[in-house]
Amino acid sequence: NAGVTQTPKFQVLKTGQSMTLQCAQDMNHEYMSWYRQDPGMGLRLIHYSVGAGITDQGEVPNGYNVSRSTTEDFPLRLLSAAPSQTSVYFCASGRTPDTQYFGPGTRLTVL
Amino acid sequence: EDKVVQSPLSLVVHEGDTVTLNCSYEVTNFRSLLWYKQEKKAPTFLFMLTSSGIEKKSGRLSSILDKKELFSILNITATQTGDSAVYLCAGSVIKAAGNKLTFGGGTRVLVKP
Repeated sequence: NAGVTQTPKFQVLKTGQSMTLQCAQDMNHEYMSWYRQDPGMGLRLIHYSVGAGITDQGEVPNGYNVSRSTTEDFPLRLLSAAPSQTSVYFCASGRTPDTQYFGPGTRLTVL
Repeated sequence: EDKVVQSPLSLVVHEGDTVTLNCSYEVTNFRSLLWYKQEKKAPTFLFMLTSSGIEKKSGRLSSILDKKELFSILNITATQTGDSAVYLCAGSVIKAAGNKLTFGGGTRVLVKP
């Protein structure tokens, strides 16, 4: 199993650009989530999904969209990037939220 | 609003020392308390605690939960340089749309040789 994969590993955007961070898992996990981690801070939940077709907002959803059309994929879309979205983004999946595996992360810089 | 607070923010110890990390939580519909270790990249799972007073152990690491006082501690004995990392705790809460995790800010541990 590849586990949880994220692409790209690094990305630089200009303010106002849009992009999609990709996340995929091959463990048939129902639960998937996106977090951001800023320096000196823990992980903050952006959006999560308990199965295909079902998503909900976390603590910091503004400026981000998600969809879950398949069990395997859970992309995160930045609609109009802002410097405040400079962060490291982690995707995670698990059979339950209590048993999540984290992907390697995407480091995003917005200029 | 769900809240998880970790202390201390950071600490520096020498190899062989014992370290105690604290995690307090105020969450509604509590399900479990989780500990993760984060080195350079993604967090890796350490423990899940659901019952008060039952210690979980894995090698030199152990953890316990107090659901009455709403806190958990993570102990690392006989520390090694490989224990240097950020340790994160998270409260898992039950929501209508599905459970979710709220993380604390983490404790950075540096173990010097």
